[in-house]
Amino acid sequence: DTEVTQTPKHLVMGMTNKKSLKCEQHMGHRAMYWYKQKAKKPPELMFVYSYEKLSINESVPSRFSPECPNSSLLNLHLHALQPEDSALYLCASSQVGTIQTQYFGPGTRLLVL
Amino acid sequence: DQQVKQNSPSLSVQEGRISILNCDYTNSMFDYFLWYKKYPAEGPTFLISISSIKDKNEDGRFTVFLNKSAKHLSLHIVPSQPGDSAVYFCAARYGQNFVFGPGTRLSVLP
Repeated sequence: DTEVTQTPKHLVMGMTNKKSLKCEQHMGHRAMYWYKQKAKKPPELMFVYSYEKLSINESVPSRFSPECPNSSLLNLHLHALQPEDSALYLCASSQVGTIQTQYFGPGTRLLVL
Repeated sequence: DQQVKQNSPSLSVQEGRISILNCDYTNSMFDYFLWYKKYPAEGPTFLISISSIKDKNEDGRFTVFLNKSAKHLSLHIVPSQPGDSAVYFCAARYGQNFVFGPGTRLSVLP
């Protein structure tokens, strides 16, 4: 099983809403990642969890709050987003170690009105 | 400052011929390089990778070449097939951090 699943596939939210994105993998990977991808741009790393602990936060605004409740799950809590936060949010996972191939989920397409 | 560059935004190749996608990087701390393929509305799919201690890795129709002194890598697809038409991202890693290039859109013409 090399699948990373993400829910929901699409999300529309207002600037005052609170919502969460979910990501799940059952490959035994102990590193999980959130990326943001705008149209016609490469994925940009937001957060990295290693062994369920946040190891990298690429200066992401606090309106994005990640959570890794266990080794298979990764959440991204959203609050008071701005229209410019509209993007495709990708989750990925990998082993921790020298060889780290990341496996990506299909993404959640987020629209902030 | 773009640490990973893919200077060709697009590339068109005839079916059956070779596709060569190029990638340059600036950070000498990168120790692992990956190529991903992405279709619209899907997440990137891993294709092939190479460690910085190697200069070539081959997997079926895909071969990645790494020239560390030139900080350059390339992906060769032989023979190219229409199903290979997608956006190809080069990515580089240091530590737990992965940096992606801007992508090259490959069109394989039947």
